[in-house]
Amino acid sequence: AQSVTQPDIHITVSEGASLELRCNYSYGATPYLFWYVQSPGQGLQLLLKYFSGDTLVQGIKGFEAEFKRSQSSFNLRKPSVHWSDAAEYFCAVGARMGGATNKLIFGTGTLLAVQP
Amino acid sequence: GAVVSQHPSWVICKSGTSVKIECRSLDFQATTMFWYRQFPKQSLMLMATSNEGSKATYEQGVEKDKFLINHASLTLSTLTVTSAHPEDSSFYICSARSRDSHYNSPLHFGNGTRLTVT
Repeated sequence: AQSVTQPDIHITVSEGASLELRCNYSYGATPYLFWYVQSPGQGLQLLLKYFSGDTLVQGIKGFEAEFKRSQSSFNLRKPSVHWSDAAEYFCAVGARMGGATNKLIFGTGTLLAVQP
Repeated sequence: GAVVSQHPSWVICKSGTSVKIECRSLDFQATTMFWYRQFPKQSLMLMATSNEGSKATYEQGVEKDKFLINHASLTLSTLTVTSAHPEDSSFYICSARSRDSHYNSPLHFGNGTRLTVT
């Protein structure tokens, strides 16, 4: 069965420091992978996605993620964190349903706190 | 572009009443909409997949008679929580995929509805 694991429930970094959020997936075929960010009481905003091709993908707000098939990972990175990056981050994999429909399976999320 | 509007953003209702939540795609047509439920400090759990003009597909363990989903047009899907109970209190989020996009393209999310049942 498809699944997504985010090992870190909560991470605190200092403003200006680098960030890496971990994501591991389990999926039988080539995965379609996504990172979303959620501010408190809000919906989700797409940061970036991986479908195929270059394994290093660039997203919005200075985020990037690297797909590593050998490690079944899709970790999110940012070289310098800003206070406004404090939010919850979700990794997701696109899972094939019947026909041509797909659904997203989400990890449990990582809550990022940024210290001044 | 690709805006999804969810209404209401929050609602408080009494136990035993029904509540309807609307999800609209404002600038695109959505053949498929997804309804998620999010418990505090937890991930999003898919409740059902809504396809325009057909019955919704519910995930295992989700009561279809309690969570009624209607997708009557390409821009509107509704979730009705019937005979609500305090344990139904949660954050409900809808998402939509454009009819013109690849089936694996990203979903566009609404801002969610906070339901509190007293």
